[in-house]
Amino acid sequence: QKEVEQNSGPLSVPEGAIASLNCTYSDRGSQSFFWYRQYSGKSPELIMSIYSNGDKEDGRFTAQLNKASQYVSLLIRDSQPSDSATYLCAVRFNNAGNMLTFGGGTRLMVKP
Amino acid sequence: GAVVSQHPSWVICKSGTSVKIECRSLDFQATTMFWYRQFPKQSLMLMATSNEGSKATYEQGVEKDKFLINHASLTLSTLTVTSAHPEDSSFYICSALPDSDTQYFGPGTRLTVL
Repeated sequence: QKEVEQNSGPLSVPEGAIASLNCTYSDRGSQSFFWYRQYSGKSPELIMSIYSNGDKEDGRFTAQLNKASQYVSLLIRDSQPSDSATYLCAVRFNNAGNMLTFGGGTRLMVKP
Repeated sequence: GAVVSQHPSWVICKSGTSVKIECRSLDFQATTMFWYRQFPKQSLMLMATSNEGSKATYEQGVEKDKFLINHASLTLSTLTVTSAHPEDSSFYICSALPDSDTQYFGPGTRLTVL
């Protein structure tokens, strides 16, 4: 069974702090990893994708990938109350075509 | 770019009726679209993969005769919930891929069956 695991939270951080969201996956051969943000009552929106080991930065967001440890994370710098949402980790497993397997999501609360 | 629309945004219907939901890729062509369902406070559940010009591929436990999918063009896939019942009330979301890798989601359709 190919799985993607996330801590459901809620993860509570003060405004201006760094929020760290973590995700582990079961298939060592996976190549594509995605972070989506989902506000309550809305559909997911893509934050960023990452394919290679290391860090990838986009504005206040940094994705980190460690394939050896089967671990992908998302850092949000200078967290804002508007960042409060559920963050979904998604992995495209080997031999899964274009299908993504989603984690259960981590709910982030940024307190003013 | 990579905009996906859905129609309607929300629908309320009586038990036993059928409801059609449209998913459109507005600025790209999509040979593959996905249909998901999400119940309150739960994660996305993939229902089926919609393939242009061929039959959809359904996930285990999803009734293909109840959830009819038609992907008749490169920009449109439809999901029809036939003989809807209250337990079908959910948030239905489609996604499409402008390239081979990244899924972009539509805004979702909230279905309430009375």
